[in-house]
Amino acid sequence: NAGVTQTPKFQVLKTGQSMTLQCAQDMNHNSMYWYRQDPGMGLRLIYYSASEGTTDKGEVPNGYNVSRLNKREFSLRLESAAPSQTSVYFCASSDKDSIFISSYNEQFFGPGTRLTVL
Amino acid sequence: AQTVTQSQPEMSVQEAETVTLSCTYDTSESNYYLFWYKQPPSRQMILVIRQEAYKQQNATENRFSVNFQKAAKSFSLKISDSQLGDTAMYFCASTQGGSEKLVFGKGTKLTVNP
Repeated sequence: NAGVTQTPKFQVLKTGQSMTLQCAQDMNHNSMYWYRQDPGMGLRLIYYSASEGTTDKGEVPNGYNVSRLNKREFSLRLESAAPSQTSVYFCASSDKDSIFISSYNEQFFGPGTRLTVL
Repeated sequence: AQTVTQSQPEMSVQEAETVTLSCTYDTSESNYYLFWYKQPPSRQMILVIRQEAYKQQNATENRFSVNFQKAAKSFSLKISDSQLGDTAMYFCASTQGGSEKLVFGKGTKLTVNP
């Protein structure tokens, strides 16, 4: 049981390049999230997916696209990277289907991806 | 927009002592969930403790406990018998708009000194 996995762990891009951050969870969770973490800013929600086939914008969606490929996988794409997108990116998942489990509504996080855009 | 405020950017405590981290939040929901997450230097986000707003009793997890004041919209974290391994960033978070989405505070950097 790996929990939430993210690839890659580190990435350096040049301005204008594109890339996709991958996220997968093996906990059968319905909901998945992408956050970015910047110094002094906490975590801010980029996009959210409540279930397979649905996505919703978060607080800072500009410059990003997402794809909920299936229940396990939720990818984040930067079409034309900018220096302002230099950040640490976290994927998370959660499940509110059962209020009887102890982890109800808890978000489980991946290890993060440190992205630098030059 | 819903907000979570952590007014202490940095704190320090001596090993074995007690420290309290502050958090206030703003919500119009009647039921919601509050969380404290720990982020050590490894960067991994780890859940420390959670509180369901409809429960009056303050949550506790071993050395960690909260003081939940619903009317004041306050949710502070108390760490007793601080250990060196408690050194980390601590983030307070609240569910948003009746959904599972979380709003995070900006964090408090806690250093436990030997």
